[in-house]
Amino acid sequence: DAGVIQSPRHEVTEMGQEVTLRCKPISGHDYLFWYRQTMMRGLELLIYFNNNVPIDDSGMPEDRFSAKMPNASFSTLKIQPSEPRDSAVYFCASSFRTAITQFFGPGTRLTVL
Amino acid sequence: QKEVEQNSGPLSVPEGAIASLNCTYSDRGSQSFFWYRQYSGKSPELIMSIYSNGDKEDGRFTAQLNKASQYVSLLIRDSQPSDSATYLCAVKRAYGGSQGNLIFGKGTKLSVKP
Repeated sequence: DAGVIQSPRHEVTEMGQEVTLRCKPISGHDYLFWYRQTMMRGLELLIYFNNNVPIDDSGMPEDRFSAKMPNASFSTLKIQPSEPRDSAVYFCASSFRTAITQFFGPGTRLTVL
Repeated sequence: QKEVEQNSGPLSVPEGAIASLNCTYSDRGSQSFFWYRQYSGKSPELIMSIYSNGDKEDGRFTAQLNKASQYVSLLIRDSQPSDSATYLCAVKRAYGGSQGNLIFGKGTKLSVKP
């Protein structure tokens, strides 16, 4: 069975541009999480969904960030406009039921110049 | 005080030795604790979970929890070079309706020397 799929794996963009990160959770999983990892701040939860509904978005840094989950097999994280401080590795993770065991995707390394 | 604290390391141990990784947390009501392993350039993977005080063993790994001291540790016996990675401690929040919230420490980098 395929794991969590993320695209793109690497993204380099210029400040001010819109960036869209994509995630396909493991089939059957009903929780989906978006994390950001940097050396300074470690791994931070941005937002998570249960059954496609956003449950907690308190980790979203500011209005420039938005996330959607239109169906059980797809989610997007959008940054508009992007800034150099958004440079990080963004992970998507999914889990089943209790949200305890989270399976992480390979991540998207974002560089904003 | 940070919610989950770990010594960033690097922790260097010789092959075959016991590696001891430590983590403290601030939310006294936390009930669930996890250790994730993250190889350089890869994503985190769950290796151990522990929910009650005491020790939990799985192969060469032992997780230890002391809720009174708000302390959780991971012991790796017979350390191998392949264990070289960053180990992330994660704690599940006890409050609110956010059932999925895991708070991660910044991780301890372990290096096992042949």
